[in-house]
Amino acid sequence: DADVTQTPRNRITKTGKRIMLECSQTKGHDRMYWYRQDPGLGLRLIYYSFDVKDINKGEISDGYSVSRQAQAKFSLSLESAIPNQTALYFCATSDLPSSSNTGELFFGEGSRLTVL
Amino acid sequence: QKEVEQDPGPLSVPEGAIVSLNCTYSNSAFQYFMWYRQYSRKGPELLMYTYSSGNKEDGRFTAQVDKSSKYISLFIRDSQPSDSATYLCAMGYGNNRLAFGKGNQVVVIP
Repeated sequence: DADVTQTPRNRITKTGKRIMLECSQTKGHDRMYWYRQDPGLGLRLIYYSFDVKDINKGEISDGYSVSRQAQAKFSLSLESAIPNQTALYFCATSDLPSSSNTGELFFGEGSRLTVL
Repeated sequence: QKEVEQDPGPLSVPEGAIVSLNCTYSNSAFQYFMWYRQYSRKGPELLMYTYSSGNKEDGRFTAQVDKSSKYISLFIRDSQPSDSATYLCAMGYGNNRLAFGKGNQVVVIP
């Protein structure tokens, strides 16, 4: 099983619908992130959480919300989806950087969302 | 100016060629530097990590960091079709989150 699991992997929805993307991890990491990836724009950070009680906005949080239900679970919601939210969404986890840890991000396989 | 600049233009090379990828950055606080590789329909995976200026080799891959010029590079020697992927640079400092470049799509033609 993958260390970072995203569901659904693909979703097509209509403008105005509420969508939730879910992420669960077995890495035991405290830090979790949601990114979106668009051609030519790279990875852009939507929200991140450094522990269960910590939620922070990233570069492009407008139109999105998140919930950190447990150390292992971090979900992303689009309250009212719009077409320009069509993108590939990635969840990632990391440990705290230290002398023995690079702090690298471990990514899920992505959730492709299409908003019509 | 974005913290990390990576020209996202695609790159096609013949098999066996050397691939050279670059990123520049503006934040002199960055301490560690990474290259991620992303295959089609997959999430990015860490390829190279380095903490200091200079070169780091891992097989056919060399990561180069020049902190004085705020410039990092990734070289792939004897490129193979299996190296076809998108390569993203990333960098960070302390406990802060990583800053990513836009990524370069590399196609190695057999």
